[in-house]
Amino acid sequence: GAGVSQSPSNKVTEKGKDVELRCDPISGHTALYWYRQRLGQGLEFLIYFQGNSAPDKSGLPSDRFSAERTGESVSTLTIQRTQQEDSAVYLCASSPQWSGLHQETQYFGPGTRLLVL
Amino acid sequence: TQLLEQSPQFLSIQEGENLTVYCNSSSVFSSLQWYRQEPGEGPVLLVTVVTGGEVKKLKRLTFQFGDARKDSSLHITAAQPGDTGLYLCAGAGNNAGNMLTFGGGTRLMVKP
Repeated sequence: GAGVSQSPSNKVTEKGKDVELRCDPISGHTALYWYRQRLGQGLEFLIYFQGNSAPDKSGLPSDRFSAERTGESVSTLTIQRTQQEDSAVYLCASSPQWSGLHQETQYFGPGTRLLVL
Repeated sequence: TQLLEQSPQFLSIQEGENLTVYCNSSSVFSSLQWYRQEPGEGPVLLVTVVTGGEVKKLKRLTFQFGDARKDSSLHITAAQPGDTGLYLCAGAGNNAGNMLTFGGGTRLMVKP
């Protein structure tokens, strides 16, 4: 079946502009995650959606970052007034409903490469 | 805050050599996962270890979870150029739902 898809794959923007990144999770996956990955580094957690529960926004670095999710489908990550330090790969992942018993696999999309000039 | 430190950050070796990557923390994790990421793609899960002291093998890759569930290692035997990539460990907290804390990654390059 189809995996996690993200769009656009690349985005170049000017400092101060707003950008919107999209994630289409695997159908039926109730959990969705956004991460940021700076060049050659690990993943920095941004936000986590689990079903109809309130999202965990504890990883958002500033109030310029926000994310929405429509039910259990598409999510958009919005960065307002972009800064050069926002340049990174933004990765989205989805996973099945957490059973509470064991760790569910997170399936990652290919990411959106954002460059802020 | 749970932190995971990976070492080395970068490793360049010749085909056929063995290597070990380490993932360490002062925190206890309920489980730990290893991912591999190739350029231009998202990370892909290699293995999940759950029990302290657990050892799992995946062909030439051997994963171990520390007895205290604070650390893990990935050993690759007879590395091949196809093993080149970014290796990431990720730990799950005891009450963190399905959320993961990722290490900084180890970038491996295997030269033919």
